[in-house]
Amino acid sequence: QVQLVQSGPDVKKPGASVKVSCRASGYNFVRYTLSWIRQAPGQGLEWLGWISPFNNNTSYVQKVQGRIAMTTDTTTSTAYMELRSLRSDDTAVYYCARVIDQVLAPAFDSWGQGSLVIVSS
Amino acid sequence: AIQLTQSPSSLSASLGDRVTITCRASQDIRRDLAWYQQKSGESPKLLISHASSLERGVPSRFSGSGSGTDFTLTISSLQPEDFATYYCQQFNSDPLTFGGGTKVEIK
Repeated sequence: QVQLVQSGPDVKKPGASVKVSCRASGYNFVRYTLSWIRQAPGQGLEWLGWISPFNNNTSYVQKVQGRIAMTTDTTTSTAYMELRSLRSDDTAVYYCARVIDQVLAPAFDSWGQGSLVIVSS
Repeated sequence: AIQLTQSPSSLSASLGDRVTITCRASQDIRRDLAWYQQKSGESPKLLISHASSLERGVPSRFSGSGSGTDFTLTISSLQPEDFATYYCQQFNSDPLTFGGGTKVEIK
């Protein structure tokens, strides 16, 4: 079965960087785009962007453009999301999610368990 | 960016009730809409894609309808495991966006 297993919680100071990992199993990793989505405490869902493991094409939401980098390692079927210059409002649970079909159906059919990132001085 | 407005933001209902949640898009998104269920402390789960296509394994009491700008998620007979927060998401255009959520609570 499809599984996305994410890295554990992290606490960072403002201005620092964080890198969250997402290890995929149960499917052909390069065939599906992966997205990163975050959820601030008690808030809704915010899409951050996506990456195609096939060709490493990325697209990021404007709000975090310039501070975010999504990468993949196809040898380990792992995706990474790095967020730099962290601010307190970056405190959230970060999810990786598999995209059904980037062209025909960019919805998310499998999700990681989430990685809590706390930004605090 | 396309905005999605869900209503109500929360509701209280009893077991067996019929529950309807609406999602309105700020522009025409055809049928490019998905619905998710998120239980407390868990990751979201995809229920419906393309406005009305039920995902495999999702109970048939869930249904979706709509096109253009107005969409609904209906739970025909509320069960104990349905108490959760529900989100709509549009995939018509970048950036992908979510509605603000509807929390379904026990009356």
